[in-house]
Amino acid sequence: DAGITQSPRYKITETGRQVTLMCHQTWSHSYMFWYRQDLGHGLRLIYYSAAADITDKGEVPDGYVVSRSKTENFPLTLESATRSQTSVYFCASRSRDRGRVNTEAFFGQGTRLTVV
Amino acid sequence: DAKTTQPTSMDCAEGRAANLPCNHSTISGNEYVYWYRQIHSQGPQYIIHGLKNNETNEMASLIITEDRKSSTLILPHATLRDTAVYYCIVSNAGGTSYGKLTFGQGTILTVHP
Repeated sequence: DAGITQSPRYKITETGRQVTLMCHQTWSHSYMFWYRQDLGHGLRLIYYSAAADITDKGEVPDGYVVSRSKTENFPLTLESATRSQTSVYFCASRSRDRGRVNTEAFFGQGTRLTVV
Repeated sequence: DAKTTQPTSMDCAEGRAANLPCNHSTISGNEYVYWYRQIHSQGPQYIIHGLKNNETNEMASLIITEDRKSSTLILPHATLRDTAVYYCIVSNAGGTSYGKLTFGQGTILTVHP
């Protein structure tokens, strides 16, 4: 199915463990993003990517690592999970279309991560 | 990206128009106004965007003032399913922004029967 999918939808992990959240989009969009949303707050940008092998830090990157070896995938890894990383994580993608000055971003359904 | 200011919450009766304001007084010439909404912890959903002209699509209308310092999102006939957090975002077309969207706190719109 076309779209953007995140996996897993729910994850419980222990403090200190490494965990990877997956994001896959089928449109070959250039831009991809990871956001976190804490209870009662707006979304904060963790990392973003302009293309395969091009990534950069967002507002709250500490404790996270990303990679983008293929255009369609943008995994987010928590190297050593902490309780403060308990959150809902959203992945998004957006095309960079020279024919359209602006494009809409498409968001996944989110991964609810609990670190105990 | 320019900062936006939105009311924390608003109420609307079902069937009536919902008018959600947004101030973006520091918007620059190449920045667009985007509106997204988030229904009950789902991923945000794109609604509409504009540069300086008013825009309308099947979901909503966007009215941007002539000086571009504020805008209003209009849901013409609000339904209970429009209850959501609405985010007004100002962002440029790409380039050094890499398409990033910066979310504020948004407006919680509650549609009442």
